[in-house]
Amino acid sequence: DAGVIQSPRHEVTEMGQEVTLRCKPISGHDYLFWYRQTMMRGLELLIYFNNNVPIDDSGMPEDRFSAKMPNASFSTLKIQPSEPRDSAVYFCASSLGDRGGGANVLTFGAGSRLTVL
Amino acid sequence: KNEVEQSPQNLTAQEGEFITINCSYSVGISALHWLQQHPGGGIVSLFMLSSGKKKHGRLIATINIQEKHSSLHITASHPRDSAVYICAVLSGGSRLTFGEGTQLTVNP
Repeated sequence: DAGVIQSPRHEVTEMGQEVTLRCKPISGHDYLFWYRQTMMRGLELLIYFNNNVPIDDSGMPEDRFSAKMPNASFSTLKIQPSEPRDSAVYFCASSLGDRGGGANVLTFGAGSRLTVL
Repeated sequence: KNEVEQSPQNLTAQEGEFITINCSYSVGISALHWLQQHPGGGIVSLFMLSSGKKKHGRLIATINIQEKHSSLHITASHPRDSAVYICAVLSGGSRLTFGEGTQLTVNP
């Protein structure tokens, strides 16, 4: 397996533009997570899905952020409109749920570095 | 006070030294993760544990649930171990809360 695949790896955009980040989880994994990492706040959970259903989106900063998982092999994180404070590295991770029903060891993608000018 | 606190924030060691990174947390958890973030930015999951001890190569992770404390040990440290080590706790479903990380530098 190629691991968790994220695209783009780098994105530079201007304030107000729409940004779409993409993630392909490991085949067979039933959990998918979106994290954001900044110098100021470190790593933060934005949202996670279980079997394509959003379970916890309490970390999504505001209405400008939205995430979808239309099928088991694809997820998007969209920011519209983007602002300079959204500049960060966005990580996607996937996991295979354990028998107790929770997520297990995570496999992270390489991250998407977003710069909003 | 953060829910997850790591110490030290920065650690410099000489090659071959035994290294310990500590993590304390204040919430009830179902599991604890240790992650490694390479200088290039990639994140690798090292351990997930909910009790006792786990070992993988030169890395050992321990957790004491009663004391709400975990340690990550590196034996015979090597410059390639230089990275940021992040502790994260699993509570409330599958939500991870992260520590701020420990920057480890191992000099040859």
